Amino acid sequence: QVQLQQSGPGLVKPSQTLSLTCAISGDSVSSNTAAWNWIRQSPSRGLEWLGRTYYRSKWTNNYAVSVRSRITINPDTSKNQFSLLLNSVTPEDTAVYYCTRDPGFCVTCYDSWGQGTLVTVSS
Amino acid sequence: QSALTQPRSVSGSPGQSVTISCTGTSCDLCDYNYVSWYLQHPGKAPKLIIYDVSKRPSGVPDRFSGSKSGNTASLTISGLQAEDEADYYCCSHAHITIGVFGGGTRLTVL
Repeated sequence: QVQLQQSGPGLVKPSQTLSLTCAISGDSVSSNTAAWNWIRQSPSRGLEWLGRTYYRSKWTNNYAVSVRSRITINPDTSKNQFSLLLNSVTPEDTAVYYCTRDPGFCVTCYDSWGQGTLVTVSS
Repeated sequence: QSALTQPRSVSGSPGQSVTISCTGTSCDLCDYNYVSWYLQHPGKAPKLIIYDVSKRPSGVPDRFSGSKSGNTASLTISGLQAEDEADYYCCSHAHITIGVFGGGTRLTVL
């Protein structure tokens, strides 16, 4: 059974960088079938897909248009985890952030979710 | 305003059936052949209950079923139980944006 364990600060100051990590157990970040995603949820924006990383002979990242200029998702094969960096944050980035797995047996679905991290952007 | 429109709320009594719709209103790149559904209890992460319109992951009761007609996907829950009370979200595969979610539907079991 796949488990995703998130870590990272819950409070970030405006204009700074949000940084979260998702540790994977029961699967590999280098899987040739799965993709590893970040999704956030807020009352104003609902559930919003932010981006993903996956390995198919080489690493590929895809990002949502809304955050493309500010986001980086990095895999870490040595620790079997992946991370989210979102820079130049504003209060609008306040949300619960989830890491998720797209298992590959479907066309875009998320069968494993981290516990969620409430990130508040405030000075 | 979500690109996928869901009713804000639905309700039903134990044992009854309810259907939640998910209509593509402003998602030109959505592919409605690949819709998934999630339930979310308060304070918890969403849980996958339907993928690729009508397939159920292992462990999900067959009381949950999915279907599609044109750009509208539907989730039907039969034999309602108290624990089904939750928020339900649809998600469509979309080119470039990858995953587009509906605004969510609150199911109340009366």
